[in-house]
Amino acid sequence: QLQLQESGPGLVKPSETLSLTCSVSGGSISSIRYYWGWIRQPPRKGLEWIGSIDYSGSTYYNPSLKSRVTISVDTAKNQFSLNLRSVTAADTAIYYCARRPPEDPLYMDVWGKGTTVTVSS
Amino acid sequence: QSVLTQPPSASGTPGQRVTISCSGSSSNIGSNYVYWYQQLPGTAPKLLIYRNNKRPSGVPDRFSGSKSGTSASLAISGLQSEDEADYLCAVWDDSPRGPVFGGGTKVTVL
Repeated sequence: QLQLQESGPGLVKPSETLSLTCSVSGGSISSIRYYWGWIRQPPRKGLEWIGSIDYSGSTYYNPSLKSRVTISVDTAKNQFSLNLRSVTAADTAIYYCARRPPEDPLYMDVWGKGTTVTVSS
Repeated sequence: QSVLTQPPSASGTPGQRVTISCSGSSSNIGSNYVYWYQQLPGTAPKLLIYRNNKRPSGVPDRFSGSKSGTSASLAISGLQSEDEADYLCAVWDDSPRGPVFGGGTKVTVL
């Protein structure tokens, strides 16, 4: 059974870079059948799509975050990563990674449990 | 402010039918499929409805989705205590391109 697990620092200072990793187990991240993405949820708010990456490394980003975001994949380690630069308090959120098929961007059927990131000095 | 508008709360007694609305625009709900996610307290979202009215395997048929124009609805019939959760709508937005979500509706079982 496929499982996703987010990891990374829980506290990041303003203006620094937030870096998270999503480890995939029970399946290969190189599968052409799926894309891999990041979604976040600020405290007491709805979800916000950050971006996704496919098996070839092609990326798709939220236009509002595109200038600060990089998503990459490491097939050897079966994981993908998120870098969000120049963070502010507004980037404080629970960050989730999720899987979805290429043809259906909103069909996210497997999620990680989420990791809380706080931006504060 | 979320692109999609949902009421912050809804409630019902066990066995009742509860309906949650999701309002958008022509660039999102008006031209694309609507999805619904259920988020139990302290957990990740779970896909509940896809492509307006389809249920993934394992989702009870008490949950149903519909869409009309630039609005969509999620109905929960035969409300159960385990249905107490946040429900979020989601849709692809053509401008700017990408998925957008509602702010969520907290359903309380009285």
